[in-house]
This record gives sequence, C-alpha cells and structure tokens, in this order.
Amino acid sequence: AQTVTQSQPEMSVQEAETVTLSCTYDTSESDYYLFWYKQPPSRQMILVIRQEAYKQQNATENRFSVNFQKAAKSFSLKISDSQLGDAAMYFCAFLNRDDKIIFGKGTRLHILP
Amino acid sequence: ETGVTQSPTHLIKTRGQQVTLRCSSQSGHNTVSWYQQALGQGPQFIFQYYREEENGRGNFPPRFSGLQFPNYSSELNVNALELDDSALYLCASSSRLANYNEQFFGPGTRLTVL
Repeated sequence: AQTVTQSQPEMSVQEAETVTLSCTYDTSESDYYLFWYKQPPSRQMILVIRQEAYKQQNATENRFSVNFQKAAKSFSLKISDSQLGDAAMYFCAFLNRDDKIIFGKGTRLHILP
Repeated sequence: ETGVTQSPTHLIKTRGQQVTLRCSSQSGHNTVSWYQQALGQGPQFIFQYYREEENGRGNFPPRFSGLQFPNYSSELNVNALELDDSALYLCASSSRLANYNEQFFGPGTRLTVL
C-alpha cells in the first residue's frame, strides 16, 4: 500500500526564520510525483511545490524548496524567511500512476510574530 | 478562466438522510476527483470520474456514489448518512490531455451530520 507519513503534527517558527517540514512515503512505483499543499483556514487546497521523481534536482519555488531523497523515500519542505501568511496546514502528498493523490495527515505551521 | 467551484458551502443533515454535493470543474478539464477530509486529517480519495465514467474508487462503501455530466461537472451522493460522514468534501479537476495531471481543488463543502 502507498502511504505518506508526516511525523510533525504541529510546528512553530519565528517570523523571518527558516523551518523544515518532514515527510516520508512508501511506494513500489519508480515514476511518480510528490507535492506539498497548503491549506489555510479558508480550506482552499493550494499547491506549494511539486517534484517529479525522475528528476534528481530539488524543486524550488521562491521561498519554498524541497529536499528529495528518493532512495530514502523522504521529501521535506523548507520555508525560508517565514511570513505570517505562511501559517496554515501543510500536506505532503503523492500522485500515483492511477492519478490518485494520497495525502499525509498534515503539519500545522504557526508563525510567531 | 473560472476555477473549481463547489456547492453548497455548508450543509447540515441528520443521520439516515441523503445528500448531494456539486462540483463544477475548471474550464478545459475532463476529470473530477472527490476527497473526504475528516477534521484534523488529510484528504482521502473517494473516487474519480473521467468522461462521465467512474475511473477508480477508494475505500468507501457503495452508499457513496457519483456522476459526471457531459459538461464535466460532477455530483457526489451519499445515502443513509452516518455521523462519521461529517467532513469537508473536496473536489479537484484535472485534464487527461496533459502529461502531468495537476489537480486543482475547489473550496470544499462542509457536511455536518447530526
């Protein structure tokens, strides 16, 4: 079975500091996509960053970057220069070959002013 | 370009009733996926519709059913509601024409079963 595990239910970071959210996953597939989604209190699920498994280079989107370790099946999200608007639930997710997204349980990120 | 919309925003039902949730896909998208997100949990895949046919189903009982219409909008129906069906229901649309099928999510419908 394909699973996604986020071991940090909650995290806090000081505004302008850097924080890393952890994620591990399990699959027997060799080609897949990994995502980090942000879900603010408005409930809208917003794609933060995407990583293709066949690409060795880690994805980067402005202040957001990932550390993708395929052999270890690890996919962490680093947020640099944290801003108050980054406060939200963050979900690590995996898109399998059947086009279904499997989500982790989420990490609630608090930004301290 | 209109994004994914869902209706209603909130809904309160009693145990045993039936409910229909609606989703309008983003323009140009032909696939709709439905997810159930219980409080404090990540979304769980219910099923997916592609060109009006069910294309995969998660671990949900048959009382969860769906439809997709020729304009690619979709409905999620739940019969014989149970208290555990209380959740946020998310739909996501995507296009199978693309190499990578990014799913765009709607704002969700919050269902409360009393």
